[in-house]
Amino acid sequence: AQSVTQLDSQVPVFEEAPVELRCNYSSSVSVYLFWYVQYPNQGLQLLLKYLSGSTLVKGINGFEAEFNKSQTSFHLRKPSVHISDTAEYFCAVTRIIQGAQKLVFGQGTRLTINP
Amino acid sequence: DAGITQSPRHKVTETGTPVTLRCHQTENHRYMYWYRQDPGHGLRLIHYSYGVKDTDKGEVSDGYSVSRSKTEDFLLTLESATSSQTSVYFCAISDSPRGGNTIYFGEGSWLTVV
Repeated sequence: AQSVTQLDSQVPVFEEAPVELRCNYSSSVSVYLFWYVQYPNQGLQLLLKYLSGSTLVKGINGFEAEFNKSQTSFHLRKPSVHISDTAEYFCAVTRIIQGAQKLVFGQGTRLTINP
Repeated sequence: DAGITQSPRHKVTETGTPVTLRCHQTENHRYMYWYRQDPGHGLRLIHYSYGVKDTDKGEVSDGYSVSRSKTEDFLLTLESATSSQTSVYFCAISDSPRGGNTIYFGEGSWLTVV
C-alpha cells in the first residue's frame, strides 16, 4: 500500500534563503505524487504534481520538486523564500481503491520564514 | 478557486450531540470526499462518494456517516460527537477517478467537541 513520510515536521528558514522540504513515499506500483500548501486558516491548494515524464516538476509560486524513483523521494524546493511562503506543506500520493482516486497524505511540514 | 462551500465553518458542540457538516459544490464533479486534519497525522480520509447515493468508507470512518442525495451536496454526520472528533474537516472534489487527477479542497470546518 502506498504511504508517505515527510521527514521534517518543522523547517525554520530565513527570508531569501533556499529551502528543501523532504518527502519519501512507498509504493509497489506507478505513482502520482502531489504537493499541497495550506496557508493559515485556509484550505489546501495544489502546488504541483508529478504524473510522468520529466522528473523535475515546476509549480506555482516558484516551487519545484524532483521525482527520484531510485530513492523513492519527491522533495520540494525553492531557491529563495519569502515571508508569504509561511505555511504548512503536504506531500501526497494517490491510491486507487474500488475505482476511486484517493490521496494519502504525509504528516505535513510547517515552514516558518524568519525576517 | 473550485466552487466548494463548507458549512458551518466553525462549530462548538457538546459531547454526545449529533453534528452535521455540509459540503456544497458547484462544479458538478462526481467524486466527493471528507477528510479530517489533525496535528502529526496530516489529512486522513473519512468517507468518499463516487456518485449520488454511492458512498464508501475511508481509513477513519468509525463514528461518522455520510449521505449524498444530490450531486452537489455531501453531508458528514457525527451521530454522537466525542472529544476525539475535535478536528478540522475538509471536503474535497474530483471529476475523475484517474490517479493523476487534481483533487480540490474546500476551506475547512473547525469543529470543537467539549
